[in-house]
Parts: sequence; C-alpha cells; structure tokens
Amino acid sequence: GESVGLHLPTLSVQEGDNSIINCAYSNSASDYFIWYKQESGKGPQFIIDIRSNMDKRQGQRVTVLLNKTVKHLSLQIAATQPGDSAVYFCAMGNSGYALNFGKGTSLLVTP
Amino acid sequence: KAGVTQTPRYLIKTRGQQVTLSCSPISGHRSVSWYQQTPGQGLQFLFEYFSETQRNKGNFPGRFSGRQFSNSRSEMNVSTLELGDSALYLCASSSGGAYNTEAFFGQGTRLTVV
Repeated sequence: GESVGLHLPTLSVQEGDNSIINCAYSNSASDYFIWYKQESGKGPQFIIDIRSNMDKRQGQRVTVLLNKTVKHLSLQIAATQPGDSAVYFCAMGNSGYALNFGKGTSLLVTP
Repeated sequence: KAGVTQTPRYLIKTRGQQVTLSCSPISGHRSVSWYQQTPGQGLQFLFEYFSETQRNKGNFPGRFSGRQFSNSRSEMNVSTLELGDSALYLCASSSGGAYNTEAFFGQGTRLTVV
C-alpha cells in the first residue's frame, strides 16, 4: 500500500540558516504533494504544494523539490526564523481530498 | 473571512458512549474532510464530503461515520467509543475543485475517552 514517511523526526537549526525537511513516499500515483506546518494547539496550515508533473516550486522563503525517480520530496526554508518552529508534514493526494500524511518532522529554530 | 470552526474544542467521553463532532467550513467551500491525529499514527484520513455526498473514505471501522448538510456544515459521529479513539479530530475545508489542493484546517476537537 501507499505510505508516506519522513527521514528525520526532529531538526534543529540556527536562526538565519536554511532548513531542509525530507519526505519519502512509496505510491507513484499521486497527483500532488503538499507541505503543511502545524504549530502547537493549531490545525495544520498549508505551506506549498507541487503537482506530480513538476520538479520544483518556489514560494515565499520556501522551495519544494520533487524527485519522482527516487520518490522523494523536500521542503527548503530559507533564512529560518523562530516563527518557523513547528511540526512539518508532507502529504500526498489525488483529485478530491483524501490526503495521506507523513508522521511529521519537528523543526526547532534556535537563536 | 471566518476560518474553519470546530465544536466542541474539548470532549471527555466514557468507553461505549457515542460522540458527535461538528465542523463549519469556510463560507463558499463545499468540501469537508475529517482527519484523526494521534502521536503514534499521525494524521489519518477519515472521510471527505462534497455537496452532501461522501466522496472519499479512509480505512476506519464503521463506528466512524459522517454527514454533510446543505449548508456544507459537517458532522462526524463515533459510536461505541474505545480508548484508542482518543485523539485530535481535525476537519479541513476546501473549495473541492479537482485542481485546488489548498485545504484550511480547523483547530480540532480533542476527544479523550476514559
């Protein structure tokens, strides 16, 4: 069956550094991949998505890379700030909302 | 505009009871999805409703059910509660279009089964 997993459960970075959060998946049939951020006591917040026919997409301070050959997804955060501290989830889905989420990576930004 | 509203925020129930959770999506959104979040299993998809019809369903037992009303508000029901049903239940609202991937989550309902 399909699965979505994360390489690292926790990641600690210094403020101002770049962060890279990785995600591996097994099902090649997904139409799109999404990164969510979840802060304590809140629901997940959409960060950025990428369609399966793309390799890279950039947003504000974030870049998502998709490598379909090795079934790997990454989220790069530039100039990481304390407000970026949260749990990050990758998710994959098809048309209609049935997202399959990874277990999450906790990002801790230290001053 | 108002975000996704889930009620109640916290709930304590006893094993064997049933519970109903409510989700009001963002105005104009026709899709509501439900997820269960636990420390061990992470976020797991329960079901999705679009225009009052269940469009997708996850791998949960029949004790978990849901419905959507004509105003897009959705409820989920869990019958015969088990200790393992203790979790944060999240709903997500989206326009529901095939190429719209952005879903807005509510703050969730924290269910504790004792």
